[in-house]
Amino acid sequence: KQEVTQIPAALSVPEGENLVLNCSFTDSAIYNLQWFRQDPGKGLTSLLLIQSSQREQTSGRLNASLDKSSGRSTLYIAASQPGDSATYLCAPLRDSGAGSYQLTFGKGTKLSVIP
Amino acid sequence: ETGVTQTPRHLVMGMTNKKSLKCEQHLGHNAMYWYKQSAKKPLELMFVYNFKEQTENNSVPSRFSPECPNSSHLFLHLHTLQPEDSALYLCASSRDTYNEQFFGPGTRLTVL
Repeated sequence: KQEVTQIPAALSVPEGENLVLNCSFTDSAIYNLQWFRQDPGKGLTSLLLIQSSQREQTSGRLNASLDKSSGRSTLYIAASQPGDSATYLCAPLRDSGAGSYQLTFGKGTKLSVIP
Repeated sequence: ETGVTQTPRHLVMGMTNKKSLKCEQHLGHNAMYWYKQSAKKPLELMFVYNFKEQTENNSVPSRFSPECPNSSHLFLHLHTLQPEDSALYLCASSRDTYNEQFFGPGTRLTVL
């Protein structure tokens, strides 16, 4: 059974700082990994998808890295802004059997960027 | 907008009521999902449909009954729910079950 841990659970930083969110997972036999953000009471917005064969994926100020063998991924946010305040979720995808795939979610990191 | 819509956005129901949640995707995807998000718990996968066929049921109680009439629509029929079923119910879709998933805004369900 896949277990996903995200550290820290909460993070508060001043505007403009660069920051790193960490994700670890127990089963390294993953197909890909998605990072999402969730605003309070809202649905999830996909930020980045990184394939198991990739080491990095970038979108604007966001950079995700993946070390599949050690079961780790990081999300780097450059020059943080108050609009980045949200909960960030990591979700590796693995084959659950019979060709069906499942995402497993961590509890997330709640980020607050202070103006 | 992610291309996935859910109705209603909020629902309050008694334990003896029957209600349905609706999800629609406008992305041409073949796979659709129901997730449950309870306070202080990670998102939990409930059901997966791929090409209208159910491929996953993660030990969900029978008081939750999914229906997928076509690849664009997904329903979750609710009956005789318990207060602990109060949660945010999220629908998602993807091109196939191994592709990027896109989520709807969710239905906030309160069971009295």
